[in-house]
Amino acid sequence: GQQVMQIPQYQHVQEGEDFTTYCNSSTTLSNIQWYKQRPGGHPVFLIQLVKSGEVKKQKRLTFQFGEAKKNSSLHITATQTTDVGTYFCAPWYYKLSFGAGTTVTVRA
Amino acid sequence: DGGITQSPKYLFRKEGQNVTLSCEQNLNHDAMYWYRQDPGQGLRLIYYSQIVNDFQKGDIAEGYSVSREKKESFPLTVTSAQKNPTAFYLCASSTALSNQPQHFGDGTRLSIL
Repeated sequence: GQQVMQIPQYQHVQEGEDFTTYCNSSTTLSNIQWYKQRPGGHPVFLIQLVKSGEVKKQKRLTFQFGEAKKNSSLHITATQTTDVGTYFCAPWYYKLSFGAGTTVTVRA
Repeated sequence: DGGITQSPKYLFRKEGQNVTLSCEQNLNHDAMYWYRQDPGQGLRLIYYSQIVNDFQKGDIAEGYSVSREKKESFPLTVTSAQKNPTAFYLCASSTALSNQPQHFGDGTRLSIL
């Protein structure tokens, strides 16, 4: 199936700092979804991006879809302990294909 | 409240044994999915179904079987042919087989005795 690469695989962040996780594809994507999975939990849908260059914000989370629709990013500002978990991008081809995820830990 | 119920939460399998994981949804969703999650990896699609009595193989269907006799139910059987079944299994549903958000159950953790 189609592959997407998420980087970094692990992100250790000091509380209050910002960080960004990236999702890269070698092919053009029709749209992309982002999910968050807390430790021991299940993935929860965060957002879907459809348009080239689209930017959506959810409080401290900013999601962006690249102009060429081959990459996407999630930027979190002022990281809090509640941001701990694994963030997956999931491009839609004929089905959702999940990236390996970025696992975020926060140092208080 | 609407949602997806997976049972059991933990399951142990003996060598040569088939086990069935339950997934029930009351969201009135047409499409249902089974994923496998291994440590450090994303979710890999096992099977999916867009309507009752119809289902399709995903990326890693070997050693698994499913049925969709009711809209609400999509059980997954892990057969003895699956040689490495230890994993976290997640069931999901969406309104249709399209780019709609998927809603997940709490998962079943399967281990080998």
